[in-house]
Amino acid sequence: AQSVTQLGSHVSVSEGALVLLRCNYSSSVPPYLFWYVQYPNQGLQLLLKYTSAATLVKGINGFEAEFKKSETSFHLTKPSAHMRDAAEYFCAVSDPNFGNEKLTFGTGTRLTIIP
Amino acid sequence: DGGITQSPKYLFRKEGQNVTLSCEQNLNHDAMYWYRQDPGQGLRLIYYSQIVNDFQKGDIAEGYSVSREKKESFPLTVTSAQKNPTAFYLCASTAFLTGELFFGEGSRLTVL
Repeated sequence: AQSVTQLGSHVSVSEGALVLLRCNYSSSVPPYLFWYVQYPNQGLQLLLKYTSAATLVKGINGFEAEFKKSETSFHLTKPSAHMRDAAEYFCAVSDPNFGNEKLTFGTGTRLTIIP
Repeated sequence: DGGITQSPKYLFRKEGQNVTLSCEQNLNHDAMYWYRQDPGQGLRLIYYSQIVNDFQKGDIAEGYSVSREKKESFPLTVTSAQKNPTAFYLCASTAFLTGELFFGEGSRLTVL
């Protein structure tokens, strides 16, 4: 079964600093991997996804993530944090046994931006 | 604009009452999902449906029921058998084989 571990339930960075949110996954076959963002009292919005093409994936709002098979990681980064980046971020892995239509989510990382 | 509409956004219920949360999508997606979100626990899958008139239990289906009579609609009923129903409920849909979920704005259920 697929699983996702997000290290750090809360991360704080200064405005303009590097953002690094960690995600490690477990999967018996090559999965699809996703990062979603959630603003308070709203649904989730897709930031980016990895589907076995390029290992470095660029998403919306200046975020990117690198798939590292040897480390089973898919960490999310942004070179310079902005106040509007404050939100909760979820990493997710798909289940190829269900046609990649069934996602397992991590427990989330709440990102706080310090002015 | 295409999207997913959940209603109501906020709902209060007395213990022992059933309540139904609505989810409608106009994205022409085949698969639809219900997730429950609790602080610090991420999203947990309640039920999902890949085609009309068919649905499968997710990881935490006990105390919930669903139906899928139309492609556009996937309502969730929280029954009185659900021991701890206070939570934020999210509906999602996806096109076949893309794996990318589109989410509604969520429904927050509070049991008084």
